[in-house]
Amino acid sequence: QVQLQESGPGLVKPSQTLSLTCTVSGGSISSGSYYWSWIRQPAGKGLEWIGRIYTSGSTNYNPSLKSRVTISVDTSKNQFSLKLSSVTAADTAVYYCARGVGDGYNNYFDYWGQGTLVTVSS
Amino acid sequence: SYVLTQPPSVSVAPGKTARITCGGNNIGSKSVHWYQQKPGQAPVLVIYYDSDRPSGIPERFSGSNSGNTATLTISRVEAGDEADYYCQVWDSSSDLSRVVFGGGTKLTVL
Repeated sequence: QVQLQESGPGLVKPSQTLSLTCTVSGGSISSGSYYWSWIRQPAGKGLEWIGRIYTSGSTNYNPSLKSRVTISVDTSKNQFSLKLSSVTAADTAVYYCARGVGDGYNNYFDYWGQGTLVTVSS
Repeated sequence: SYVLTQPPSVSVAPGKTARITCGGNNIGSKSVHWYQQKPGQAPVLVIYYDSDRPSGIPERFSGSNSGNTATLTISRVEAGDEADYYCQVWDSSSDLSRVVFGGGTKLTVL
């Protein structure tokens, strides 16, 4: 059974960089044709896809966040990471990591982490 | 950019059938996936590729997709089905491809 677990600071100051890591267990992050995504959800609101990385290192980002987002993968640690720069209060949300499966442009998410709340505040 | 429109809320009595719609321009040409999210929990995949069910999801959950509307149907609704439901597609209509979620529908079991 694949499991994903987010980790990182729960509080980030405005203008700083939010950094989160997702650790994958129960399977190798580099096996199979999977895409590894970050998704966020502000309190009481809907889901917003941030971006994804393939094990080859190729990435796709949400155009609305692209200028501030970097997603990377460390196959030796079975982890992938998110960096979101120049954060504001609008970036306060629960951040999920998820496994994407299916054709490259027909991905769906079959495994999700439990989510981690990140608050942007001074 | 591509927009998915869901009704904010749907109410249904136990044992009845709930239908949650997801509207989008020519959505029938895309693959639609559905997630169930209960309070304080991560989303759970309930339907993928329009109408396929993951293992462990009851047969009461089904999906369809045609024209400008995709529909998640929950038959014989139970109290435990009360949750938020989100549809999702991949928008590759421009150079800036991305995953798109609907705004979510809160299902209330009366």
